Amino acid sequence: DTEVTQTPKHLVMGMTNKKSLKCEQHMGHRAMYWYKQKAKKPPELMFVYSYEKLSINESVPSRFSPECPNSSLLNLHLHALQPEDSALYLCASSQELARGNQPQHFGDGTRLSIL
Amino acid sequence: DAKTTQPNSMESNEEEPVHLPCNHSTISGTDYIHWYRQLPSQGPEYVIHGLTSNVNNRMASLAIAEDRKSSTLILHRATLRDAAVYYCILRAAWASSNTGKLIFGQGTTLQVKP
Repeated sequence: DTEVTQTPKHLVMGMTNKKSLKCEQHMGHRAMYWYKQKAKKPPELMFVYSYEKLSINESVPSRFSPECPNSSLLNLHLHALQPEDSALYLCASSQELARGNQPQHFGDGTRLSIL
Repeated sequence: DAKTTQPNSMESNEEEPVHLPCNHSTISGTDYIHWYRQLPSQGPEYVIHGLTSNVNNRMASLAIAEDRKSSTLILHRATLRDAAVYYCILRAAWASSNTGKLIFGQGTTLQVKP
């Protein structure tokens, strides 16, 4: 069982739709992350929030819009996605961003398919 | 960021020990060595981390070479459930916002045969 909960588990959407992915953790972690993982590839970092402020944006297209409404919640708003955006989207959290000896805890992801 | 090199794949028999190697010849003195694994259809799972000394936990052991240029993740008795992709990742001890991220390499796919 994972302590990072992602919803929905699966999402199918058209290129003109707007949808949101949700991530929740109740471990008191102050750093939260979004990763994208294509089939048979390693996860790639998209965004990092530290203390509810956007700390890292890995040059992600603006059709992906992250939001951190509070320290337990992380959203990823999706709009006008392309078929190549179909992937597994993973959320993770850690106690703090800057401490290298702290592990990240991952959710099981949302599998997104763009029609 | 310091890079790691791992074999693409390894095979093991069930109930035998598995030694998964990782080379990190450009590691800096303050880099932690982290291991994660990803089972099919799941998110990555933290396994273990260390700095200089060997480390043990309920999942695995981490053996770190004296010069820290390589490390080995040891699963003492492989089970079918240990079949996964194993990632070896370096993280700076005190990271700036740009270096506090996990950079996943290709990892080692471990197959466990019954």
